[in-house]
Amino acid sequence: GQQVMQIPQYQHVQEGEDFTTYCNSSTTLSNIQWYKQRPGGHPVFLIQLVKSGEVKKQKRLTFQFGEAKKNSSLHITATQTTDVGTYFCVQGAQKLVFGQGTRLTINP
Amino acid sequence: DTAVSQTPKYLVTQMGNDKSIKCEQNLGHDTMYWYKQDSKKFLKIMFSYNNKELIINETVPNRFSPKSPDKAHLNLHINSLELGDSAVYFCASSLGLSHSGNTIYFGEGSWLTVV
Repeated sequence: GQQVMQIPQYQHVQEGEDFTTYCNSSTTLSNIQWYKQRPGGHPVFLIQLVKSGEVKKQKRLTFQFGEAKKNSSLHITATQTTDVGTYFCVQGAQKLVFGQGTRLTINP
Repeated sequence: DTAVSQTPKYLVTQMGNDKSIKCEQNLGHDTMYWYKQDSKKFLKIMFSYNNKELIINETVPNRFSPKSPDKAHLNLHINSLELGDSAVYFCASSLGLSHSGNTIYFGEGSWLTVV
């Protein structure tokens, strides 16, 4: 079935450093969503991207959707300890398929 | 009030037992889901119901039986529990299949440990 590949699987950064996770698909996506799951918590919706080349920002988070709508990225500027968690990209309509997630840990 | 609530939050049980996890959403959503998250944090959809009708049934053993008495409830019953069933089970809901994007709202999860 349709899958999104997410890299890296793990990322450890020093607080204040930037962080980026990438999501890639072999097929064109109608839309892509991003979710964040804190340790011990549940996934929480962050944003949805629909248009080719779309860029959206939420404070220190920048989300991009590729021109071909086959890839997406989430970039966090100047990470803080509250950014710790696993970030998932999700694609699909009727059946929402989660990427493997990128687990972000931060050294304060 | 919690939008998607599931019980119990923690469940420790012996192999071979039968157990149920209950889920309710008060968001007025038409679609509900069960997801399983394993120890590697991989989230996999198990079932999806739309207006009480089963629409997605992934390759889940038939020991797992979902039941939706109404569109606000989706319960999960598991027969003859096995060690490999240990995981976190998330209930979730969304507006409905006709809605573009279909943002998912998750419950807090039920931590199942089979010993």
